[in-house]
Amino acid sequence: QTVVTQEPSFSVSPGGTVTLTCGLSSGSVSPTYYPGWYQQTPGQAPRTLIYSTNIRSSGVPDRFSGSILGNKAALTITGAQADDECDYYCVLYVGSGIWVFGGGTKVTVL
Amino acid sequence: QLQLQESGPGLVKPSETLSLTCTVSGGSISNSIYYWVWIRQPPGKGPEWIGSIYYSGTTFYNPSLKSRVTISMAMSKNQFSLQLNSVTAADTAVYYCTKDSLANRNLDSWGQGTLVTVSS
Repeated sequence: QTVVTQEPSFSVSPGGTVTLTCGLSSGSVSPTYYPGWYQQTPGQAPRTLIYSTNIRSSGVPDRFSGSILGNKAALTITGAQADDECDYYCVLYVGSGIWVFGGGTKVTVL
Repeated sequence: QLQLQESGPGLVKPSETLSLTCTVSGGSISNSIYYWVWIRQPPGKGPEWIGSIYYSGTTFYNPSLKSRVTISMAMSKNQFSLQLNSVTAADTAVYYCTKDSLANRNLDSWGQGTLVTVSS
């Protein structure tokens, strides 16, 4: 059973930079896992921020960027704003048609 | 612009079958460049991929749900459906339909989601 790991929570100051990561319980994340990142505010459907490691979805500000850092996928928020305070989820394609989501990171801007 | 909309009962009794439909507008589900996907999110938890279906009828299921899940398509209605058997309270969740673009493996165009509660 593949487990996708994310930090449970992160704090960032307004205007600051934060990097969230997305790892595997066993092995390294690479572009072949097509890492995706989603932002979710309470009561809303997840919104796609990044797909295929580093492709920004239409309308997403360029202060959100995706990458591979070491053996994990990463989402960096540069110049954090108050409305960036919400939950962030990553998803990995693990093959055979199967996707696995991470448990999510709650980001606080203060 | 493809739009997806979930529909179905909001309340299901334990041990019964959960049935939801996703209606696709703005494009055809017979398009070979997409998989059609069901995802759920229990209250207070992260999303969980349930399964996907291709226009050919090929399906992929979450191993943890595979014994209880069936995803099917109704081409004439431009819809795809989810059936989950023998439900328990643990199946209470917001259920979303979305699409997986084969070209770039992007799960996007999420529906607004529908809350299904399992309770007697």
